[in-house]
Amino acid sequence: DTAVSQTPKYLVTQMGNDKSIKCEQNLGHDTMYWYKQDSKKFLKIMFSYNNKELIINETVPNRFSPKSPDKAHLNLHINSLELGDSAVYFCASSPQTNPDYEQYFGPGTRLTVT
Amino acid sequence: AQSVTQPDIHITVSEGASLELRCNYSYGATPYLFWYVQSPGQGLQLLLKYFSGDTLVQGIKGFEAEFKRSQSSFNLRKPSVHWSDAAEYFCAVGPSFGNDMRFGAGTRLTVKP
Repeated sequence: DTAVSQTPKYLVTQMGNDKSIKCEQNLGHDTMYWYKQDSKKFLKIMFSYNNKELIINETVPNRFSPKSPDKAHLNLHINSLELGDSAVYFCASSPQTNPDYEQYFGPGTRLTVT
Repeated sequence: AQSVTQPDIHITVSEGASLELRCNYSYGATPYLFWYVQSPGQGLQLLLKYFSGDTLVQGIKGFEAEFKRSQSSFNLRKPSVHWSDAAEYFCAVGPSFGNDMRFGAGTRLTVKP
């Protein structure tokens, strides 16, 4: 009965590689998000999608490309990984973009780039 | 732009003692305010939220928070801390377009037996 799930939970890879993180929500929500949590626990939004359309794209490198094949999925693809990409990435979802609705977070994906 | 400050990086309290975690925000309009908790290796769980109305908000796990507009604060409190409350606590403010929340840097709570 997992609400927001992410795979993989841990990802260790080398610099220069391309990797993807998958996110799925079974809550029927319209809006999904990607957040990055750095080593100092600072959590910052990266992307937001509503009904498969991009509505927030914070200042992140072009190497990061979100893909939303349907409302229930928002995947994050990262090209040419760099050391600074090491972080925990959280997916979240909410019923709508209306802030009256809380965001539900996934368990996170810990990415380590060596 | 909205922002959140959590002045305390790390707090240690004894089990059974009271707790107050501080949060100050900067926002031009009436903010939406949230407190989330993150246990080790886990995602974030919403403790409580304030949108409007009564400035004292009750949340889950015995937590409450008080919105004080004059002080731009939204401090989290619990009268008696349990060992299971040890975690990282994040204050967040919203919204802007697209329900973009801004998180504080977090306060790590350690509970002494």
